[in-house]
Amino acid sequence: ETGVTQTPRHLVMGMTNKKSLKCEQHLGHNAMYWYKQSAKKPLELMFVYSLEERVENNSVPSRFSPECPNSSHLFLHLHTLQPEDSALYLCASSQDMGRPQHFGDGTRLSIL
Amino acid sequence: GENVEQHPSTLSVQEGDSAVIKCTYSDSASNYFPWYKQELGKGPQLIIDIRSNVGEKKDQRIAVTLNKTAKHFSLHITETQPEDSAVYFCAASKTGYNNNDMRFGAGTRLTVKP
Repeated sequence: ETGVTQTPRHLVMGMTNKKSLKCEQHLGHNAMYWYKQSAKKPLELMFVYSLEERVENNSVPSRFSPECPNSSHLFLHLHTLQPEDSALYLCASSQDMGRPQHFGDGTRLSIL
Repeated sequence: GENVEQHPSTLSVQEGDSAVIKCTYSDSASNYFPWYKQELGKGPQLIIDIRSNVGEKKDQRIAVTLNKTAKHFSLHITETQPEDSAVYFCAASKTGYNNNDMRFGAGTRLTVKP
């Protein structure tokens, strides 16, 4: 149990679907992150939130839309994805930015 | 920005042997270097970290060394066991509030053969 819970664990969707990934942390942390993990590539930082404010958007296409309603919850809304978006999407949290990050177990996303 | 290189990409050792994974970084201002272990179907888990004010840190069978001059750091696992089999990631960042620049290596798949 890492203290960071991601749902769903697996998601298969068509390119025209709309879905959302959810992340919840029970650690009392102030910062939350979305990463994309593709085979044989380094973890790619997508978005960073600190105290519910987005502080980084790493040139992520607009078909990915993050939402952080409070410091414990983070969402990634998906719309009109492409096959190359198939990957493991990881959520992480840390006490504050620059502190050790704790990861969830990810959502395995497959785009048909 | 920071760039982290990790080698080797795959490593196979016999149970009981030692394993060493090496990483280099580009930004001399980086001062925090965590190592993560990712098992199949799980997210990365922090196993050890080191800050730039020390050269070595140990925790039971794992140790990390840091050479700031050469800008490289290494993970050492001694007396390897089959349960050490996983993908290991190094990372580098600058600590401090408002620093969100952690960059990860591409990972090393370690296989420990019984």
